[in-house]
Amino acid sequence: AQTIHQWPVAEIKAVGSPLSLGCTIKGKSSPNLYWYWQATGGTLQQLFYSITVGQVESVVQLNLSASRPKDDQFILSTEKLLLSHSGFYLCAWRTGGGNQDTQYFGPGTRLLVL
Amino acid sequence: GDSVTQTEGQVTVSESKSLIINCTYSTTSIAYPNLFWYVRYPGEGLQLLLKVITAGQKGSSRGFEATYNKETTSFHLQKASVQESDSAVYYCALVHTGNYKYVFGAGTRLKVIA
Repeated sequence: AQTIHQWPVAEIKAVGSPLSLGCTIKGKSSPNLYWYWQATGGTLQQLFYSITVGQVESVVQLNLSASRPKDDQFILSTEKLLLSHSGFYLCAWRTGGGNQDTQYFGPGTRLLVL
Repeated sequence: GDSVTQTEGQVTVSESKSLIINCTYSTTSIAYPNLFWYVRYPGEGLQLLLKVITAGQKGSSRGFEATYNKETTSFHLQKASVQESDSAVYYCALVHTGNYKYVFGAGTRLKVIA
């Protein structure tokens, strides 16, 4: 069975400090991977997606970057946090399209920027 | 671009009563998108509830159903008789076939009271 892990579970960070959030998928080779962000009371917004190792596409510009250093790993980062980065970050992997189209989400990371 | 609208932020329903959660979508594409309902139960991760990839068809799961209406561009979620265990946040979403960009609605929090 496939499992998806996110770390850390929660973070409190200072404005201007760096951030790195991680996501690992086990039991699935070459998954399509996604990062989402949800501000408190806001909509779930897709940030990035990656089809293969080393390739990441940006969907929304939020002064964040993403990388896929390994087939099963997806990293979200920034060198300087903003207050507006606070929220809930979700990683997901996606099965095939059409009738098989399903996203499986990780447990999420809650980030508070002060 | 595409958008998904859920008009109710929160819905409160008495147990055994019927439910409808509204979802409408807008797209600039000439193609019909694939439509989804995702759900987040308390203490759990976001998961797929049901999906429909063909306009005019109905999807169903766990007693819920939604019909893809291309004329009204709607995908309302319905259940004939809700239970307390249905209390959760429900998200409507779309993606176009062959595309990697998902669009989610703002979510509707369902509270079922005894």
